[in-house]
Amino acid sequence: GESVGLHLPTLSVQEGDNSIINCAYSNSASDYFIWYKQESGKGPQFIIDIRSNMDKRQGQRVTVLLNKTVKHLSLQIAATQPGDSAVYFCAEKSGGSQGNLIFGKGTKLSVKP
Amino acid sequence: DTGVSQDPRHKITKRGQNVTFRCDPISEHNRLYWYRQTLGQGPEFLTYFQNEAQLEKSRLLSDRFSAERPKGSFSTLEIQRTEQGDSAMYLCASSLSYKNTEAFFGQGTRLTVV
Repeated sequence: GESVGLHLPTLSVQEGDNSIINCAYSNSASDYFIWYKQESGKGPQFIIDIRSNMDKRQGQRVTVLLNKTVKHLSLQIAATQPGDSAVYFCAEKSGGSQGNLIFGKGTKLSVKP
Repeated sequence: DTGVSQDPRHKITKRGQNVTFRCDPISEHNRLYWYRQTLGQGPEFLTYFQNEAQLEKSRLLSDRFSAERPKGSFSTLEIQRTEQGDSAMYLCASSLSYKNTEAFFGQGTRLTVV
């Protein structure tokens, strides 16, 4: 069915290294994607989004890449810091302005000092 | 604080009791969403409103669940006759309706049914 999934449930990186979190989606009609960060006991926090007419978008220390050919989304975090430790979710929205976000299961990022 | 606000943050209730949660969205946002999140999973969509109109409901929203947004501002989510399987984090989010824009989430209400 239509779903957003993640390749790895956990990712451990050394402080200062770059992190790459991957996401696969199955709905080719999805035209909007968001990465959220969720810390324990808190709600998801918006990180960065990308529309389907783009293949790359950069923010502060974060980059999202979208490959529509293989329906793959990735989040790159540069110079990972201990404060980046959290669960990261990608979410997709299907075509049109209505509709809800569909979330994957998340990747837990642990940053070792 | 101009973010999405949810109340209460935590709720413990006995099985069979009714509970009601409140969400205050970001003031200029006309879309409001309710999601449910269980441990280790991503949020699952329950329902959403545009202004006061409830436009979409998930099949997860059984007849024991009801949501309202009477004046197009705050929203309430009520669960009647709670079951242990209702234990979860209930998240509210809001967004603007034009184009695709990010949804901002509240801190959630953690429900524990004992």
